[in-house]
Amino acid sequence: NAGVTQTPKFQVLKTGQSMTLQCAQDMNHEYMSWYRQDPGMGLRLIHYSVGAGITDQGEVPNGYNVSRSTTEDFPLRLLSAAPSQTSVYFCASSYSYRVKPYEQYFGPGTRLTVT
Amino acid sequence: RKEVEQDPGPFNVPEGATVAFNCTYSNSASQSFFWYRQDCRKEPKLLMSVYSSGNEDGRFTAQLNRASQYISLLIRDSKLSDSATYLCVVLARPDSNYQLIWGAGTKLIIKP
Repeated sequence: NAGVTQTPKFQVLKTGQSMTLQCAQDMNHEYMSWYRQDPGMGLRLIHYSVGAGITDQGEVPNGYNVSRSTTEDFPLRLLSAAPSQTSVYFCASSYSYRVKPYEQYFGPGTRLTVT
Repeated sequence: RKEVEQDPGPFNVPEGATVAFNCTYSNSASQSFFWYRQDCRKEPKLLMSVYSSGNEDGRFTAQLNRASQYISLLIRDSKLSDSATYLCVVLARPDSNYQLIWGAGTKLIIKP
C-alpha cells in the first residue's frame, strides 16, 4: 500500500495564480481532510470529507475548494493564491469519521510558497 | 487563549535522560487525548493515545489530569531517534461532529 500520496512536494506560485494540490489514498478510507501547518500554530483544518460526494468546511476554508468524486481522491484547489496561503499542506485520511477519527494517516505534505 | 497549548521548546536533553512535557487544554468538552510525533519536514504520525488511568508504551508514558486540564508525555532512557516535535491532539465533540484540535508542538532534541 502506498498509503496517502500528495503531489507536488514543492510549489511556488505568484499571487493570483490558481492550482490544485492532489491527494490520493489506497486504504479505502472513508474520511479525508486537508490541513495547513504554519510556524507556531497547530494544524488547522481546511476542508474535510466523510465519503464520496460529501464535503464540508473546516476551520479555515476561505480561498480553497475541494471535491470528492471517488473514495480515493481528494484534491484541494487554490482559487487565487495569496501570500497568506504560504504554508505546508497535509492531506490526511482515516478509516471512518465515527470509528477512531483520531487515527489520521498523513501524506508527506506539499510546501507551497506564494510570492 | 489557544485551545491546546504546548511549550514550543526546544528541549535539549542528553541521550539516556528522562524528559517530560505537558500540554494544556481549555475545552472542558474534550473527550480524548493523543500524542503525535512529527519528524523534521515530515508528516505527523500517531504516537499514542492517552487514557484516564495513564498508559505506557515501552519508554513512553502518557498521563491525563482532567481536573487541571493537562496531559503529559514522559520519555525514559531517551534515544537520538526520539528527536522530533511532539504534537498534542484533543478530540472534542462540541456538537454532533467530532473535532480534532492540534497543539503547535514541543520540539525535542536529544544530544549524544
